[in-house]
Amino acid sequence: DQQVKQNSPSLSVQEGRISILNCDYTNSMFDYFLWYKKYPAEGPTFLISISSIKDKNEDGRFTVFLNKSAKHLSLHIVPSQPGDSAVYFCAYSGAGSYQLTFGKGTKLSVIP
Amino acid sequence: KAGVTQTPRYLIKTRGQQVTLSCSPISGHRSVSWYQQTPGQGLQFLFEYFSETQRNKGNFPGRFSGRQFSNSRSEMNVSTLELGDSALYLCASSLDTSGGPGGDTQYFGPGTRLTVL
Repeated sequence: DQQVKQNSPSLSVQEGRISILNCDYTNSMFDYFLWYKKYPAEGPTFLISISSIKDKNEDGRFTVFLNKSAKHLSLHIVPSQPGDSAVYFCAYSGAGSYQLTFGKGTKLSVIP
Repeated sequence: KAGVTQTPRYLIKTRGQQVTLSCSPISGHRSVSWYQQTPGQGLQFLFEYFSETQRNKGNFPGRFSGRQFSNSRSEMNVSTLELGDSALYLCASSLDTSGGPGGDTQYFGPGTRLTVL
């Protein structure tokens, strides 16, 4: 059974600096890893994904890195902005399924 | 285009009652998934529907059920409510063109906050 772990419940970063959010997983079988952002009283919003055959994917200020040997992925946000303050979830999907397995989330605070 | 809508947004029930939550996906989206979010367990997958058929089911007891209508709207039902069912219930919809949420973005609604007293 795949487990997805976000070991840091919170992270504080100065505006303009880099935010690095981390996620570890246990099972090598997956199709995609995805990152979602969630504001209070709203549903999660998709940010970026990476397929199992890649090790990096970029979209504007967001870059996701996948290290399959370490079973680790990270989300880099550069530069960080106050509007990025939210809870970030990593999630995995497998075998063409829409079932997502989420980590517990990391609360990012970007300080102006 | 309107986003995913969920009704009601807030609900208070007592133990033993049952509840029905509704989700209207984005127009044209055919896949609807449901998730439960609690402080202790985080976001957990309940089930996913496509063309009125349940395609996947998470590890929840049979008290949790759902269905999808021909217009892709979906409902989920929880019978014999327990205190632990208090949670935010989220619905997500997708076009289902790429066989999975990696290539096919899932859009989440704002959720229904259920409180069981």
